[in-house]
Amino acid sequence: QSALTQPPSASGSPGQSVTISCTGTSSDVGGFNYVSWYQQHPGKAPKLMIYEVSKRPSGVPDRFSGSKSGNTASLTVSGLQAEDEADYYCNSYGGNNNYVFGTGTKVTVL
Amino acid sequence: EVQLVESGGDFVQRGGSLRLSCAASGFSISNSYMTWVRQAPGKGLEWVSSIHIGGSTYYADSVKGRFTISRDNFKNTVFLQMNSLKPEDTALYYCARTTYGSFEYWGQGTLVTVSS
Repeated sequence: QSALTQPPSASGSPGQSVTISCTGTSSDVGGFNYVSWYQQHPGKAPKLMIYEVSKRPSGVPDRFSGSKSGNTASLTVSGLQAEDEADYYCNSYGGNNNYVFGTGTKVTVL
Repeated sequence: EVQLVESGGDFVQRGGSLRLSCAASGFSISNSYMTWVRQAPGKGLEWVSSIHIGGSTYYADSVKGRFTISRDNFKNTVFLQMNSLKPEDTALYYCARTTYGSFEYWGQGTLVTVSS
């Protein structure tokens, strides 16, 4: 299964919003509502930010939101803060008990 | 508090074997879906293998036939037996508790380096 496609980079000034896309196929993103997003700071383990397309785990700020349309999922970070600068990865269930990650996006806060 | 601690990573020659461990605390792995995810140096995340509550196991095509996931409910530990290792298996290996199709809790990872 091929990796989901994400833009390599995204950026925004503090207080602005940034949206990251995650494009797959009807066999993964488009076929299931099991899309999740992870934030990874350098040298740290990934952290779950969004699950089941748009749900936030306890403790994740509501500045983070997720959505999906067809074969593309999106993560939006509103009111950007310096600590949001990190790598972000999407993931989707791909059927047959397989999972596939996105290629990753580096978010820079200008 | 949920905690996952991986161990067993090492430097190994091509064709060698390693057994990774993931010790869990704060929950019982016997009623949890557990997963191994790896990250090659400077690269993205890759799903490797999962074990269901019922014991069924699943593997990425890149490791199928070489890696085996298992668990010891009494030790509350998940394992990843890795055989016939290749240089492309070099990565930081994370274990994660899987819930609602997502990787809810992660360990800090254990580094596997395979030389050619």
